[in-house]
Amino acid sequence: DAGVTQSPTHLIKTRGQQVTLRCSPKSGHDTVSWYQQALGQGPQFIFQYYEEEERQRGNFPDRFSGHQFPNYSSELNVNALLLGDSALYLCASSLVVEGETQYFGPGTRLLVL
Amino acid sequence: AQSVAQPEDQVNVAEGNPLTVKCTYSVSGNPYLFWYVQYPNRGLQFLLKYITGDNLVKGSYGFEAEFNKSQTSFHLKKPSALVSDSALYFCAVRDMWGATNKLIFGTGTLLAVQP
Repeated sequence: DAGVTQSPTHLIKTRGQQVTLRCSPKSGHDTVSWYQQALGQGPQFIFQYYEEEERQRGNFPDRFSGHQFPNYSSELNVNALLLGDSALYLCASSLVVEGETQYFGPGTRLLVL
Repeated sequence: AQSVAQPEDQVNVAEGNPLTVKCTYSVSGNPYLFWYVQYPNRGLQFLLKYITGDNLVKGSYGFEAEFNKSQTSFHLKKPSALVSDSALYFCAVRDMWGATNKLIFGTGTLLAVQP
């Protein structure tokens, strides 16, 4: 049973560039959430997708956008990168059922220079 | 505002001794509480959760947690620590106001188990 997978594992970009991160959910899951984990911090919720629509968004600017595909996989796009966007980006999947556990992928480490 | 607090940045314990990692929460209503563990350069691994029912929850790798409503706490415990338990531990609570299962995380507690 494949868990949550993310690609790439590491990425280096320069300020102003754009980046796309990818996530495949755990088999059988229909909901994908994205979190940003800055160094020394707990993960912060960016947004969640279900049925190809954004259901809830955290306190992140519009530079952060996402997409969910019919096969439930998801992308996170960040435009106009800032140095402060350097972080570990975590994808989590779950079922859209009350109380269901979110399972996390290994993350993508983004460094903005 | 809903929040989770992990009052200790680091917990040190000798191998074989019991360990406790503390977590307190602030939410309205009945909380859904979670513990995750993160090893270096890795994602989060689910350990256990409390939704309802028995206040003592058992999870993976011999960990357990006790939900205490009067003290608004959800401390993580293990009877006998292993060196391999050394990692970063996060407590989280489900956002009870939103339409999703969004998690609100604490700042994490680094557990160091000495041989």
